[in-house]
Amino acid sequence: NAGVMQNPRHLVRRRGQEARLRCSPMKGHSHVYWYRQLPEEGLKFMVYLQKENIIDESGMPKERFSAEFPKEGPSILRIQQVVRGDSAAYFCASSAMAGSRGVEGTEAFFGQGTRLTVV
Amino acid sequence: AQSVSQHNHHVILSEAASLELGCNYSYGGTVNLFWYVQYPGQHLQLLLKYFSGDPLVKGIKGFEAEFIKSKFSFNLRKPSVQWSDTAEYFCAVKPSGSARQLTFGSGTQLTVLP
Repeated sequence: NAGVMQNPRHLVRRRGQEARLRCSPMKGHSHVYWYRQLPEEGLKFMVYLQKENIIDESGMPKERFSAEFPKEGPSILRIQQVVRGDSAAYFCASSAMAGSRGVEGTEAFFGQGTRLTVV
Repeated sequence: AQSVSQHNHHVILSEAASLELGCNYSYGGTVNLFWYVQYPGQHLQLLLKYFSGDPLVKGIKGFEAEFIKSKFSFNLRKPSVQWSDTAEYFCAVKPSGSARQLTFGSGTQLTVLP
């Protein structure tokens, strides 16, 4: 059972370009979470999605950032017109549907992250 | 909403010293608690977790943590650290039984001197 897969591992974009980060959750997981880790800082929650639904996007910047988790395929975090301040590590986590495996079914498993560098 | 405080931003120890990293949370209900470790340039790895039952939780690599409900704390301990424990440690919390997102502390950088 493969873990949470994120790609690419490293992404370099010029200012003004678009960045697309992909996350394939663990098999059987229907909840996806995106976090951002800025240099010298902890992980900050960005968005929580279920299939075809955004549950909580309270941590997403109001502009340029969007996320989706379609019925088929990976979850995508999209950053338009990137700026230097977007340079960070972006981590995805997934969990199973709450209740399907008891309390412990809600444990989140993390991917290896995508390190975005904006030059 | 829940929040997590890690009071020590940077801890420096010599090998074989004992370690205790503080973690306090605030939330009005029952919680699940986690400690993650991040080695330089690496992703997050789960050290240990508390869902219910025995408040003393043992994790990987000789780490343990104790959930003290009355103090809203979940401190991480290791009796004897090694140079390879040099990493950043994050405490995290979420409402129990919920699929809601984790809330992380700001992290503690541990440096172990050989």
